[in-house]
Amino acid sequence: DTAVSQTPKYLVTQMGNDKSIKCEQNLGHDTMYWYKQDSKKFLKIMFSYNNKELIINETVPNRFSPKSPDKAHLNLHINSLELGDSAVYFCASSQAGTGRFTEAFFGQGTRLTVV
Amino acid sequence: GDSVTQMEGPVTLSEEAFLTINCTYTATGYPSLFWYVQYPGEGLQLLLKATKADDKGSNKGFEATYRKETTSFHLEKGSVQVSDSAVYFCALREGGGADGLTFGKGTHLIIQP
Repeated sequence: DTAVSQTPKYLVTQMGNDKSIKCEQNLGHDTMYWYKQDSKKFLKIMFSYNNKELIINETVPNRFSPKSPDKAHLNLHINSLELGDSAVYFCASSQAGTGRFTEAFFGQGTRLTVV
Repeated sequence: GDSVTQMEGPVTLSEEAFLTINCTYTATGYPSLFWYVQYPGEGLQLLLKATKADDKGSNKGFEATYRKETTSFHLEKGSVQVSDSAVYFCALREGGGADGLTFGKGTHLIIQP
């Protein structure tokens, strides 16, 4: 079974559309994240959720809205898509209780292309 | 704030060559350090980690030693293979709780047969 799974793997859409990316983890972790990887491969955290509560919200346009229905799921909804939103979006999870020692487990990524 | 600096690629080596990818960090506290690898078209996988000074992380022939005095965590492998071609990311985590990882910009490694 895949530990962290995201759908879809590829998403091509037109400017102005609204889209969602779904993420699920079966590791029993209490913390989930969204990262954005730009065209130069640079990874930056967007959001962090712990037990369904938003913990980190980096400087991200408010067109991006994460939603966590339960500890195992973290979805990312994007409104009014722009060309600059084209990137690979990674979901990840970890167990917060182990503190700074814990690694994060990543999904396969969703390549979003806005045309 | 925290930051990670690593050599940018691409780094091109011949099979069986020795590999070093440099990584240095800036942190206000005492971070844990990680190397992740991203194979083409895939997500990130943890390669190795170290959580305190002088710890050595190792996996699949790769090694990195946590050097607090030089704030470095260089990745090494004695003999690379074509299958090691990937993008390698150095990262740190300083806080606990739900803090995320701070990544370097990644180093694209290309191994030629």
